[in-house]
Amino acid sequence: EAQVTQNPRYLITVTGKKLTVTCSQNMNHEYMSWYRQDPGLGLRQIYYSMNVEVTDKGDVPEGYKVSRKEKRNFPLILESPSPNQTSLYFCASSLEDPYNSPLHFGNGTRLTVT
Amino acid sequence: AQSVTQPDIHITVSEGASLELRCNYSYGATPYLFWYVQSPGQGLQLLLKYFSGDTLVQGIKGFEAEFKRSQSSFNLRKPSVHWSDAAEYFCAVGEPMKTSYDKVIFGPGTSLSVIP
Repeated sequence: EAQVTQNPRYLITVTGKKLTVTCSQNMNHEYMSWYRQDPGLGLRQIYYSMNVEVTDKGDVPEGYKVSRKEKRNFPLILESPSPNQTSLYFCASSLEDPYNSPLHFGNGTRLTVT
Repeated sequence: AQSVTQPDIHITVSEGASLELRCNYSYGATPYLFWYVQSPGQGLQLLLKYFSGDTLVQGIKGFEAEFKRSQSSFNLRKPSVHWSDAAEYFCAVGEPMKTSYDKVIFGPGTSLSVIP
């Protein structure tokens, strides 16, 4: 089944403890992206990648890192999480780019930082 | 900078009634326009998109949207709502004529409740 898989679905952590949220797609998509969803703000882009080894900042990249060493994987790293990073996170992928081919989303990771 | 507004935070309709969700954008040219739906506990799914051509576009699940350049709007409609349509709906905008098609800006979303 074609899908974007995120893990974990739920994560509770403490301030400053490094964490990684994994994202994998099995559709051979070129484009991958991370978003955070907060009430009243919609989805805001954190980082995106047009291809392997090519990543770029979105609108809210501070406090996050990403890597794209393989086409299928695009992990999101929080080196030192803070409470303002408590949010619902979505990974998405697209065959070419999000204008010409639809974004496929994972089911989300709900992160709580205390 | 381009932006997307969805004036209605929450809408409640009765099953079988018609639906219109509003979306306005601010951008000088005609952007790529999208509607995505988010069912509870899931990621987003594309309903439809518009870039050029016929200003009335048809999507999945019986939805349609109309682009009105004069009003900078891209409202989503459905003639008869089903209980399964209860979800969060996001309008989104993409900036055309860029060298890299990399960013889609999402609106804040409209939450739809359906009364049986």
